[in-house]
Amino acid sequence: DAKTTQPTSMDCAEGRAANLPCNHSTISGNEYVYWYRQIHSQGPQYIIHGLKNNETNEMASLIITEDRKSSTLILPHATLRDTAVYYCIVRVQGGSEKLVFGKGMKLTVNP
Amino acid sequence: DAMVIQNPRYQVTQFGKPVTLSCSQTLNHNVMYWYQQKSSQAPKLLFHYYDKDFNNEADTPDNFQSRRPNTSFCFLDIRSPGLGDAAMYLCATSTGLVRETQYFGPGTRLLVL
Repeated sequence: DAKTTQPTSMDCAEGRAANLPCNHSTISGNEYVYWYRQIHSQGPQYIIHGLKNNETNEMASLIITEDRKSSTLILPHATLRDTAVYYCIVRVQGGSEKLVFGKGMKLTVNP
Repeated sequence: DAMVIQNPRYQVTQFGKPVTLSCSQTLNHNVMYWYQQKSSQAPKLLFHYYDKDFNNEADTPDNFQSRRPNTSFCFLDIRSPGLGDAAMYLCATSTGLVRETQYFGPGTRLLVL
């Protein structure tokens, strides 16, 4: 089973920041938080990942709470093309390095 | 551009007729994965190859098999497709290094008639 919980859906206005929450209260000390997104009829796309420090790249920022039990993915200026299902994943450690996807959260960016 | 390629994008097969889906990559990655994604559900890992080593998920039905003849190609064989096997099949690759990201192809949508 997935180790994260996310809201089912969220709406955001175009041009505004989108803040996507994720709870991972059972995360282990050596497990990373990953975010992927899946635009309709496409394969999932990697966004960002982090351990305990906040991370930023050209796509988004990731804010992880000090206790690491939750995180927030921030899209600073959402566009219509950011409409997608966003998956927050706690990376299963081990040889397979597999991704276990939860149900994800549908973000709809409105004009 | 380096990428993960899946052909065809749409595949139609008949109930019980074997079907093969293909995936190729130009990333020279060690690991190739196959995921199944049914409608309105999250992707679910079926199996993966680390180089030539095959790793099957415990709950993957025997009906699903895979072949990796070389680094670049990986195939998903469904021996006797049932109606419940209609889904999007996603191929992904990674370097195999710890915590490396996975790169996904566009998927093949399988329809079983």
